[in-house]
Amino acid sequence: SQELEQSPQSLIVQEGKNLTINCTSSKTLYGLYWYKQKYGEGLIFLMMLQKGGEEKSHEKITAKLDEKKQQSSLHITASQPSHAGIYLCGADKAKSGGSNYKLTFGKGTLLTVNP
Amino acid sequence: NAGVTQTPKFRILKIGQSMTLQCAQDMNHNYMYWYRQDPGMGLKLIYYSVGAGITDKGEVPNGYNVSRSTTEDFPLRLELAAPSQTSVYFCASTSGAFPYEQYFGPGTRLTVT
Repeated sequence: SQELEQSPQSLIVQEGKNLTINCTSSKTLYGLYWYKQKYGEGLIFLMMLQKGGEEKSHEKITAKLDEKKQQSSLHITASQPSHAGIYLCGADKAKSGGSNYKLTFGKGTLLTVNP
Repeated sequence: NAGVTQTPKFRILKIGQSMTLQCAQDMNHNYMYWYRQDPGMGLKLIYYSVGAGITDKGEVPNGYNVSRSTTEDFPLRLELAAPSQTSVYFCASTSGAFPYEQYFGPGTRLTVT
Protein backbone atom coordinates (compact mmCIF):
# COMPACT_ATOMS: atom_id res chain seq x y z
CA SER A 1 0.00 0.00 0.00
CA GLN A 2 1.08 3.56 -0.56
CA GLU A 3 2.86 5.29 2.28
CA LEU A 4 3.30 9.02 2.64
CA GLU A 5 6.01 10.34 4.90
CA GLN A 6 5.91 13.94 6.02
CA SER A 7 8.79 15.90 7.46
CA PRO A 8 9.24 17.50 9.82
CA GLN A 9 6.63 16.17 12.26
CA SER A 10 6.47 19.57 13.90
CA LEU A 11 7.91 22.98 13.27
CA ILE A 12 8.13 26.17 15.34
CA VAL A 13 9.06 29.36 13.51
CA GLN A 14 9.16 33.04 14.26
CA GLU A 15 6.64 35.19 12.44
CA GLY A 16 8.07 36.41 9.17
CA LYS A 17 10.30 33.40 8.60
CA ASN A 18 10.07 31.09 5.60
CA LEU A 19 9.55 27.36 6.01
CA THR A 20 9.23 24.15 3.99
CA ILE A 21 7.30 20.96 4.65
CA ASN A 22 8.02 17.82 2.66
CA CYS A 23 5.87 14.86 1.66
CA THR A 24 7.53 11.75 0.19
CA SER A 25 5.67 8.83 -1.34
CA SER A 26 6.72 5.19 -1.50
CA LYS A 27 4.91 4.86 -4.84
CA THR A 28 4.11 6.93 -7.91
CA LEU A 29 2.14 10.05 -7.18
CA TYR A 30 -0.91 10.44 -9.44
CA GLY A 31 -2.36 13.34 -7.56
CA LEU A 32 -0.96 15.05 -4.49
CA TYR A 33 -3.23 17.12 -2.27
CA TRP A 34 -2.29 19.57 0.45
CA TYR A 35 -4.74 20.26 3.25
CA LYS A 36 -4.60 22.46 6.33
CA GLN A 37 -6.32 21.63 9.61
CA LYS A 38 -6.85 23.93 12.56
CA TYR A 39 -7.22 22.30 15.96
CA GLY A 40 -10.70 20.89 16.46
CA GLU A 41 -11.77 21.55 12.89
CA GLY A 42 -12.03 19.74 9.60
CA LEU A 43 -9.52 19.80 6.77
CA ILE A 44 -9.39 22.69 4.34
CA PHE A 45 -8.19 22.02 0.79
CA LEU A 46 -5.18 24.12 -0.24
CA MET A 47 -4.10 22.81 -3.64
CA MET A 48 -3.63 19.76 -5.81
CA LEU A 49 -0.67 18.82 -7.99
CA GLN A 50 -0.71 16.23 -10.74
CA LYS A 51 2.14 16.68 -13.14
CA GLY A 52 5.84 16.31 -12.53
CA GLY A 53 7.44 19.71 -12.07
CA GLU A 54 4.08 21.36 -11.42
CA GLU A 55 4.04 24.33 -9.06
CA LYS A 56 1.01 26.12 -7.62
CA SER A 57 0.66 29.08 -5.32
CA HIS A 58 -2.08 30.39 -3.09
CA GLU A 59 -1.33 33.65 -1.33
CA LYS A 60 2.00 33.02 0.41
CA ILE A 61 1.91 29.23 0.11
CA THR A 62 3.62 27.45 -2.80
CA ALA A 63 3.52 23.73 -3.48
CA LYS A 64 5.70 21.79 -5.90
CA LEU A 65 5.62 18.24 -7.18
CA ASP A 66 8.82 16.48 -8.09
CA GLU A 67 7.59 13.35 -9.81
CA LYS A 68 11.00 11.75 -10.14
CA LYS A 69 11.54 11.87 -6.42
CA GLN A 70 7.93 11.05 -5.66
CA GLN A 71 8.00 14.07 -3.40
CA SER A 72 6.12 17.27 -2.87
CA SER A 73 7.11 20.33 -0.90
CA LEU A 74 5.00 23.05 0.63
CA HIS A 75 6.73 26.37 1.13
CA ILE A 76 5.38 29.26 3.18
CA THR A 77 6.92 32.67 2.68
CA ALA A 78 6.94 35.27 5.46
CA SER A 79 4.91 33.12 7.86
CA GLN A 80 2.09 34.63 9.90
CA PRO A 81 0.24 33.37 12.99
CA SER A 82 -2.70 32.60 10.68
CA HIS A 83 -0.56 29.94 9.00
CA ALA A 84 -0.41 27.90 12.21
CA GLY A 85 -2.08 24.50 12.13
CA ILE A 86 -1.54 20.96 10.89
CA TYR A 87 -0.59 20.49 7.25
CA LEU A 88 -1.42 17.13 5.70
CA CYS A 89 -0.54 15.73 2.33
CA GLY A 90 -2.83 13.22 0.67
CA ALA A 91 -2.25 11.10 -2.41
CA ASP A 92 -4.60 9.58 -4.93
CA LYS A 93 -3.88 5.91 -5.61
CA ALA A 94 -4.69 6.06 -9.30
CA LYS A 95 -5.17 8.46 -12.18
CA SER A 96 -8.30 10.57 -12.51
CA GLY A 97 -10.61 8.71 -10.20
CA GLY A 98 -9.43 5.20 -10.95
CA SER A 99 -9.41 4.54 -7.21
CA ASN A 100 -12.76 6.28 -6.62
CA TYR A 101 -10.80 9.33 -5.44
CA LYS A 102 -9.73 7.60 -2.25
CA LEU A 103 -6.80 9.32 -0.57
CA THR A 104 -3.92 8.08 1.54
CA PHE A 105 -2.74 10.70 4.02
CA GLY A 106 0.56 11.46 5.67
CA LYS A 107 0.70 11.86 9.44
CA GLY A 108 0.77 15.64 9.24
CA THR A 109 3.14 18.46 10.19
CA LEU A 110 2.22 20.66 13.15
CA LEU A 111 3.23 24.25 12.46
CA THR A 112 3.48 26.84 15.23
CA VAL A 113 4.17 30.46 14.32
CA ASN A 114 5.30 32.64 17.20
CA PRO A 115 4.48 36.35 16.96
CA ASN B 1 -24.65 25.62 1.00
CA ALA B 2 -23.90 24.10 4.38
CA GLY B 3 -21.32 21.79 2.79
CA VAL B 4 -20.61 18.66 4.85
CA THR B 5 -22.25 18.53 8.26
CA GLN B 6 -21.63 16.03 11.06
CA THR B 7 -23.47 15.31 14.27
CA PRO B 8 -22.79 15.05 17.14
CA LYS B 9 -19.63 17.10 17.68
CA PHE B 10 -18.70 15.25 20.85
CA ARG B 11 -19.79 11.98 22.39
CA ILE B 12 -18.73 9.78 25.25
CA LEU B 13 -19.68 6.11 25.01
CA LYS B 14 -19.30 3.27 27.44
CA ILE B 15 -17.68 0.04 26.28
CA GLY B 16 -20.21 -2.12 24.50
CA GLN B 17 -22.63 0.68 23.62
CA SER B 18 -23.59 1.47 20.05
CA MET B 19 -24.12 4.73 18.24
CA THR B 20 -24.52 6.27 14.81
CA LEU B 21 -22.46 9.18 13.58
CA GLN B 22 -24.42 11.28 11.15
CA CYS B 23 -23.01 12.86 8.00
CA ALA B 24 -24.85 14.87 5.38
CA GLN B 25 -23.81 16.93 2.37
CA ASP B 26 -25.87 19.29 0.27
CA MET B 27 -23.57 19.50 -2.76
CA ASN B 28 -25.05 16.50 -4.62
CA HIS B 29 -21.72 14.67 -4.41
CA ASN B 30 -21.73 11.00 -5.36
CA TYR B 31 -18.54 10.09 -3.48
CA MET B 32 -18.48 10.08 0.31
CA TYR B 33 -15.91 8.88 2.83
CA TRP B 34 -15.46 8.20 6.52
CA TYR B 35 -12.04 8.67 8.10
CA ARG B 36 -10.73 8.38 11.61
CA GLN B 37 -7.88 10.51 12.89
CA ASP B 38 -5.79 9.35 15.82
CA PRO B 39 -3.19 11.68 17.38
CA GLY B 40 -0.06 11.85 15.23
CA MET B 41 -1.38 9.22 12.84
CA GLY B 42 -2.95 11.10 9.98
CA LEU B 43 -6.30 9.98 8.59
CA LYS B 44 -7.31 6.38 7.94
CA LEU B 45 -10.17 5.49 5.59
CA ILE B 46 -12.92 3.45 7.25
CA TYR B 47 -15.59 3.14 4.56
CA TYR B 48 -16.53 4.93 1.39
CA SER B 49 -19.43 5.16 -1.03
CA VAL B 50 -19.58 5.93 -4.75
CA GLY B 51 -23.30 6.58 -4.81
CA ALA B 52 -26.59 5.77 -3.17
CA GLY B 53 -26.80 2.07 -2.38
CA ILE B 54 -23.09 1.40 -2.99
CA THR B 55 -20.55 1.17 -0.18
CA ASP B 56 -17.17 -0.46 0.26
CA LYS B 57 -14.54 -1.01 2.92
CA GLY B 58 -11.50 1.16 3.42
CA GLU B 59 -8.32 0.42 5.37
CA VAL B 60 -9.82 0.04 8.85
CA PRO B 61 -13.47 -1.13 8.60
CA ASN B 62 -13.59 -3.55 11.54
CA GLY B 63 -16.13 -2.54 14.18
CA TYR B 64 -18.01 -0.18 11.85
CA ASN B 65 -20.86 -0.31 9.38
CA VAL B 66 -22.26 2.17 6.90
CA SER B 67 -25.29 2.65 4.70
CA ARG B 68 -26.08 5.04 1.87
CA SER B 69 -29.78 5.17 1.16
CA THR B 70 -29.68 8.70 -0.29
CA THR B 71 -27.08 10.83 -2.07
CA GLU B 72 -27.07 13.28 0.84
CA ASP B 73 -26.60 11.03 3.87
CA PHE B 74 -23.83 8.63 4.84
CA PRO B 75 -24.18 7.49 8.48
CA LEU B 76 -21.46 5.50 10.25
CA ARG B 77 -22.57 2.91 12.79
CA LEU B 78 -20.43 1.74 15.67
CA GLU B 79 -21.54 -1.55 17.19
CA LEU B 80 -20.18 -2.67 20.57
CA ALA B 81 -17.89 0.30 21.11
CA ALA B 82 -14.32 -0.43 22.24
CA PRO B 83 -11.64 1.91 23.67
CA SER B 84 -9.68 1.44 20.41
CA GLN B 85 -12.47 3.36 18.66
CA THR B 86 -11.69 6.51 20.63
CA SER B 87 -10.80 8.93 17.86
CA VAL B 88 -11.91 11.92 15.82
CA TYR B 89 -14.14 10.93 12.93
CA PHE B 90 -14.35 12.93 9.72
CA CYS B 91 -16.80 12.62 6.90
CA ALA B 92 -15.84 13.92 3.45
CA SER B 93 -17.32 14.11 -0.02
CA THR B 94 -16.26 14.89 -3.57
CA SER B 95 -18.05 15.41 -6.84
CA GLY B 96 -15.40 13.57 -8.85
CA ALA B 97 -14.80 16.68 -10.96
CA PHE B 98 -11.29 18.11 -11.30
CA PRO B 99 -9.39 18.91 -9.09
CA TYR B 100 -11.15 16.09 -7.23
CA GLU B 101 -10.72 17.67 -3.82
CA GLN B 102 -12.59 16.23 -0.87
CA TYR B 103 -14.70 18.53 1.28
CA PHE B 104 -14.53 17.69 4.96
CA GLY B 105 -17.00 18.02 7.79
CA PRO B 106 -15.99 19.51 11.17
CA GLY B 107 -15.55 16.10 12.79
CA THR B 108 -17.00 14.11 15.69
CA ARG B 109 -14.79 13.58 18.73
CA LEU B 110 -15.64 10.20 20.26
CA THR B 111 -14.37 8.83 23.55
CA VAL B 112 -15.05 5.24 24.59
CA THR B 113 -14.48 4.48 28.27
